[in-house]
Amino acid sequence: QKEVEQNSGPLSVPEGAIASLNCTYSDRGSQSFFWYRQYSGKSPELIMFIYSNGDKEDGRFTAQLNKASQYVSLLIRDSQPSDSATYLCATKTQGGSEKLVFGKGTKLTVNP
Amino acid sequence: EAGVVQSPRYKIIEKKQPVAFWCNPISGHNTLYWYLQNLGQGPELLIRYENEEAVDDSQLPKDRFSAERLKGVDSTLKIQPAELGDSAVYLCASSLLGLSSYNEQFFGPGTRLTVL
Repeated sequence: QKEVEQNSGPLSVPEGAIASLNCTYSDRGSQSFFWYRQYSGKSPELIMFIYSNGDKEDGRFTAQLNKASQYVSLLIRDSQPSDSATYLCATKTQGGSEKLVFGKGTKLTVNP
Repeated sequence: EAGVVQSPRYKIIEKKQPVAFWCNPISGHNTLYWYLQNLGQGPELLIRYENEEAVDDSQLPKDRFSAERLKGVDSTLKIQPAELGDSAVYLCASSLLGLSSYNEQFFGPGTRLTVL
Protein backbone atom coordinates (compact mmCIF):
# COMPACT_ATOMS: atom_id res chain seq x y z
CA GLN A 1 0.00 0.00 0.00
CA LYS A 2 1.36 3.35 -1.04
CA GLU A 3 2.08 5.61 1.90
CA VAL A 4 0.20 8.62 0.54
CA GLU A 5 -3.02 8.09 -1.36
CA GLN A 6 -4.79 10.58 -3.58
CA ASN A 7 -7.62 10.24 -6.05
CA SER A 8 -5.92 10.80 -9.39
CA GLY A 9 -9.03 12.43 -10.83
CA PRO A 10 -9.48 14.21 -13.04
CA LEU A 11 -11.56 16.52 -10.87
CA SER A 12 -13.53 19.03 -12.86
CA VAL A 13 -15.24 22.08 -11.32
CA PRO A 14 -16.82 25.20 -12.80
CA GLU A 15 -15.17 28.56 -12.36
CA GLY A 16 -16.10 30.13 -9.02
CA ALA A 17 -16.86 26.83 -7.34
CA ILE A 18 -15.03 25.20 -4.42
CA ALA A 19 -12.56 22.49 -5.36
CA SER A 20 -11.94 19.85 -2.70
CA LEU A 21 -8.82 17.70 -2.88
CA ASN A 22 -8.26 14.83 -0.51
CA CYS A 23 -5.29 12.83 0.73
CA THR A 24 -4.82 9.98 3.19
CA TYR A 25 -1.55 8.72 4.61
CA SER A 26 -0.49 5.51 6.32
CA ASP A 27 2.54 6.55 8.38
CA ARG A 28 1.37 7.71 11.81
CA GLY A 29 4.82 9.20 12.32
CA SER A 30 4.06 11.83 9.71
CA GLN A 31 4.11 15.25 11.29
CA SER A 32 4.17 17.77 8.46
CA PHE A 33 1.95 17.90 5.44
CA PHE A 34 2.37 19.78 2.22
CA TRP A 35 0.37 20.62 -0.86
CA TYR A 36 2.31 21.25 -4.05
CA ARG A 37 0.86 22.50 -7.31
CA GLN A 38 2.35 21.26 -10.55
CA TYR A 39 1.39 22.74 -13.89
CA SER A 40 1.78 20.49 -16.89
CA GLY A 41 5.43 20.24 -17.89
CA LYS A 42 6.55 22.31 -14.91
CA SER A 43 8.10 21.52 -11.54
CA PRO A 44 6.15 21.33 -8.27
CA GLU A 45 5.72 24.50 -6.23
CA LEU A 46 4.65 24.64 -2.60
CA ILE A 47 1.30 26.30 -1.95
CA MET A 48 0.40 25.20 1.59
CA PHE A 49 1.84 23.34 4.56
CA ILE A 50 0.20 22.31 7.80
CA TYR A 51 1.29 20.41 10.90
CA SER A 52 -1.43 21.08 13.48
CA ASN A 53 -4.86 19.52 13.53
CA GLY A 54 -7.54 21.80 12.18
CA ASP A 55 -7.70 24.33 9.40
CA LYS A 56 -5.12 26.67 7.95
CA GLU A 57 -6.19 29.39 5.55
CA ASP A 58 -4.12 31.33 3.04
CA GLY A 59 -6.10 33.45 0.64
CA ARG A 60 -8.37 31.21 -1.41
CA PHE A 61 -6.66 28.06 -0.10
CA THR A 62 -7.55 26.17 3.09
CA ALA A 63 -5.65 23.10 4.27
CA GLN A 64 -7.36 20.77 6.72
CA LEU A 65 -5.61 18.15 8.83
CA ASN A 66 -7.08 15.33 10.90
CA LYS A 67 -4.27 13.22 12.35
CA ALA A 68 -6.62 10.78 14.06
CA SER A 69 -8.16 9.93 10.68
CA GLN A 70 -4.81 10.34 8.87
CA TYR A 71 -6.48 12.69 6.44
CA VAL A 72 -5.41 15.93 4.79
CA SER A 73 -7.43 18.04 2.43
CA LEU A 74 -7.08 21.18 0.37
CA LEU A 75 -9.99 23.45 -0.44
CA ILE A 76 -9.74 26.02 -3.19
CA ARG A 77 -12.46 28.65 -3.02
CA ASP A 78 -13.58 30.71 -5.99
CA SER A 79 -11.70 28.38 -8.34
CA GLN A 80 -10.12 30.01 -11.37
CA PRO A 81 -9.03 28.46 -14.68
CA SER A 82 -5.46 29.29 -13.62
CA ASP A 83 -5.89 26.80 -10.77
CA SER A 84 -6.03 23.98 -13.32
CA ALA A 85 -3.04 21.81 -12.44
CA THR A 86 -2.07 18.62 -10.65
CA TYR A 87 -2.06 18.94 -6.87
CA LEU A 88 0.44 16.77 -5.01
CA CYS A 89 0.03 15.87 -1.35
CA ALA A 90 3.25 15.13 0.55
CA THR A 91 4.09 14.09 4.09
CA LYS A 92 7.22 14.31 6.18
CA THR A 93 8.12 12.53 9.39
CA GLN A 94 9.49 14.41 12.38
CA GLY A 95 12.98 14.05 13.76
CA GLY A 96 15.00 15.99 11.28
CA SER A 97 14.28 13.75 8.32
CA GLU A 98 13.85 15.87 5.24
CA LYS A 99 12.28 13.13 3.19
CA LEU A 100 9.02 14.04 1.54
CA VAL A 101 6.72 11.22 0.49
CA PHE A 102 4.41 12.28 -2.32
CA GLY A 103 1.09 10.98 -3.50
CA LYS A 104 0.57 10.60 -7.22
CA GLY A 105 -1.44 13.79 -7.42
CA THR A 106 -4.96 14.85 -8.34
CA LYS A 107 -5.50 16.59 -11.65
CA LEU A 108 -7.85 19.54 -11.30
CA THR A 109 -9.55 21.25 -14.22
CA VAL A 110 -11.47 24.49 -13.65
CA ASN A 111 -13.87 25.17 -16.51
CA PRO A 112 -14.61 28.79 -17.49
CA GLU B 1 17.58 35.36 -6.48
CA ALA B 2 18.13 32.54 -8.95
CA GLY B 3 16.23 29.34 -8.41
CA VAL B 4 17.45 25.78 -8.72
CA VAL B 5 19.19 25.34 -12.05
CA GLN B 6 19.26 22.05 -13.92
CA SER B 7 20.76 20.99 -17.19
CA PRO B 8 20.11 19.69 -19.68
CA ARG B 9 16.36 20.27 -19.82
CA TYR B 10 15.85 17.41 -22.26
CA LYS B 11 17.94 14.40 -23.14
CA ILE B 12 17.33 11.61 -25.62
CA ILE B 13 19.66 8.64 -25.61
CA GLU B 14 19.70 5.05 -26.72
CA LYS B 15 19.54 2.29 -24.16
CA LYS B 16 22.84 1.17 -22.67
CA GLN B 17 24.31 4.64 -23.15
CA PRO B 18 25.46 6.71 -20.16
CA VAL B 19 23.81 10.01 -19.20
CA ALA B 20 24.50 12.69 -16.63
CA PHE B 21 22.37 15.43 -15.13
CA TRP B 22 23.64 18.53 -13.39
CA CYS B 23 22.05 20.61 -10.65
CA ASN B 24 22.99 23.91 -9.04
CA PRO B 25 20.93 24.59 -5.90
CA ILE B 26 19.79 27.92 -4.55
CA SER B 27 22.73 29.78 -3.05
CA GLY B 28 23.16 28.93 0.61
CA HIS B 29 20.95 25.85 0.56
CA ASN B 30 22.84 23.06 2.25
CA THR B 31 20.40 20.25 1.47
CA LEU B 32 20.01 18.91 -2.04
CA TYR B 33 17.64 16.24 -3.34
CA TRP B 34 17.33 14.24 -6.51
CA TYR B 35 13.85 12.97 -7.33
CA LEU B 36 12.50 10.79 -10.09
CA GLN B 37 9.04 11.53 -11.44
CA ASN B 38 7.30 9.11 -13.75
CA LEU B 39 4.32 10.22 -15.82
CA GLY B 40 1.19 10.44 -13.70
CA GLN B 41 3.10 9.87 -10.46
CA GLY B 42 4.46 12.05 -7.70
CA PRO B 43 8.20 12.61 -7.26
CA GLU B 44 10.13 9.82 -5.56
CA LEU B 45 13.31 10.56 -3.67
CA LEU B 46 16.49 9.03 -5.07
CA ILE B 47 19.09 10.65 -2.85
CA ARG B 48 19.42 13.44 -0.33
CA TYR B 49 22.59 15.36 0.49
CA GLU B 50 23.34 17.44 3.53
CA ASN B 51 26.29 19.52 2.38
CA GLU B 52 28.55 16.99 0.65
CA GLU B 53 27.31 13.94 2.56
CA ALA B 54 24.71 11.59 1.09
CA VAL B 55 22.47 10.99 4.11
CA ASP B 56 19.69 9.05 2.39
CA ASP B 57 20.41 7.03 -0.74
CA SER B 58 18.24 4.04 0.12
CA GLN B 59 16.10 4.48 -3.02
CA LEU B 60 19.01 4.95 -5.42
CA PRO B 61 19.55 1.91 -7.71
CA LYS B 62 23.24 1.69 -7.06
CA ASP B 63 23.97 -0.85 -9.76
CA ARG B 64 23.47 1.79 -12.44
CA PHE B 65 22.92 5.12 -10.71
CA SER B 66 25.53 7.25 -9.01
CA ALA B 67 25.59 10.77 -7.66
CA GLU B 68 28.05 13.19 -6.24
CA ARG B 69 28.02 16.60 -4.64
CA LEU B 70 31.56 17.86 -4.58
CA LYS B 71 32.22 20.78 -2.25
CA GLY B 72 28.63 20.67 -1.09
CA VAL B 73 27.25 22.86 -3.87
CA ASP B 74 26.63 21.50 -7.38
CA SER B 75 25.56 17.92 -7.87
CA THR B 76 25.66 15.41 -10.70
CA LEU B 77 23.44 12.37 -11.12
CA LYS B 78 24.64 9.69 -13.52
CA ILE B 79 23.04 6.63 -15.07
CA GLN B 80 25.22 4.01 -16.68
CA PRO B 81 23.96 2.12 -18.58
CA ALA B 82 20.52 3.61 -19.16
CA GLU B 83 17.52 1.31 -19.58
CA LEU B 84 14.18 1.92 -21.26
CA GLY B 85 12.49 2.14 -17.85
CA ASP B 86 14.67 5.07 -16.86
CA SER B 87 12.66 7.38 -19.09
CA ALA B 88 11.23 9.96 -16.68
CA VAL B 89 11.73 13.47 -15.36
CA TYR B 90 14.63 13.90 -12.97
CA LEU B 91 14.02 16.72 -10.52
CA CYS B 92 16.54 18.43 -8.32
CA ALA B 93 15.43 20.34 -5.24
CA SER B 94 17.16 22.23 -2.46
CA SER B 95 16.34 23.52 0.99
CA LEU B 96 17.89 24.92 4.13
CA LEU B 97 18.43 22.31 6.83
CA GLY B 98 17.08 23.48 10.15
CA LEU B 99 15.26 22.44 13.28
CA SER B 100 11.88 23.52 11.98
CA SER B 101 9.49 20.87 10.79
CA TYR B 102 8.97 23.07 7.80
CA ASN B 103 11.85 23.49 5.41
CA GLU B 104 10.48 24.32 2.01
CA GLN B 105 11.98 22.39 -0.83
CA PHE B 106 12.41 24.40 -4.01
CA PHE B 107 12.37 22.39 -7.20
CA GLY B 108 14.31 22.95 -10.37
CA PRO B 109 12.70 22.68 -13.83
CA GLY B 110 13.77 19.06 -14.21
CA THR B 111 15.47 17.05 -16.92
CA ARG B 112 13.20 15.00 -19.13
CA LEU B 113 15.03 11.83 -20.12
CA THR B 114 13.91 9.65 -23.00
CA VAL B 115 15.64 6.32 -23.49
CA LEU B 116 15.08 4.73 -26.91
